[in-house]
Amino acid sequence: SQQGEEDPQALSIQEGENATMNCSYKTSINNLQWYRQNSGRGLVHLILIRSNEREKHSGRLRVTLDTSKKSSSLLITASRAADTASYFCARQDSGGSNYKLTFGKGTLLTVNP
Amino acid sequence: ETGVTQSPTHLIKTRGQQVTLRCSSQSGHNTVSWYQQALGQGPQFIFQYYREEENGRGNFPPRFSGLQFPNYSSELNVNALELDDSALYLCASRAGLGSYNEQFFGPGTRLTVL
Repeated sequence: SQQGEEDPQALSIQEGENATMNCSYKTSINNLQWYRQNSGRGLVHLILIRSNEREKHSGRLRVTLDTSKKSSSLLITASRAADTASYFCARQDSGGSNYKLTFGKGTLLTVNP
Repeated sequence: ETGVTQSPTHLIKTRGQQVTLRCSSQSGHNTVSWYQQALGQGPQFIFQYYREEENGRGNFPPRFSGLQFPNYSSELNVNALELDDSALYLCASRAGLGSYNEQFFGPGTRLTVL
C-alpha cells in the first residue's frame, strides 16, 4: 500500500500564477523526491531533497522539507501551460528498505492559458 | 528522453496468460527497478535488480518475476494474469545503489488484461 498523501488531489490555475503542492508521510526518510508525469507516461525527476536539507531550488521550482512535521511542498512559480501534468512525491526511507521509492497518489495540475 | 527504453508500448492479454515486458537501461546503469502504476494511482515498487540479482522486492506475489542480463537490461514476467494486473509498468535505471543516485524512468508499457 502507498503511504504518504499529496494535497490537493487536483489543482487548476491560470498561466502566470504559482502552484503549491504538499506531501505528507509517516516514516523516517533518507530523502524525498518530486516527479512529473505527463499523460500517464514516464516519470521525470524534478528535485531530490535530503533529510538534512530544508529547501532546494531548481529554476522555477522550490521544494521545502520539514522532517519534524513529516511534510514537503513543491512550489512552481510563474506557471505555464506546459507545466500541466501530474506531480508525485516519492520518499526513500532510511534503514533497510532504502532501495525503493514509495510514491503518493499525486496531484493533477492543470494550467489554463 | 532519459535513455531508458521499454517494449512493447502497449499490450493486450487475456486473464490467465503470461506476459514479458522488457527494459533497456541507460548506458552505465547497473541497477534496474520495476514499478506498477494503476490508473489514477502513484507507482508501486515491484522489485529491483542489481548486477543480475534481485536485491529488493515490494508487496507483489511470486507470479511477478524478473531477470537482469549481463548488459543490465531487464525483463519483468507476470504469470497467470489477473484483471487487476492492468496497469502502466515502468522501469527505472540508475548507477549503483546509492540513495542519492537519480533514477531515470522509461516511458512505460501499458498492459491491458481482458
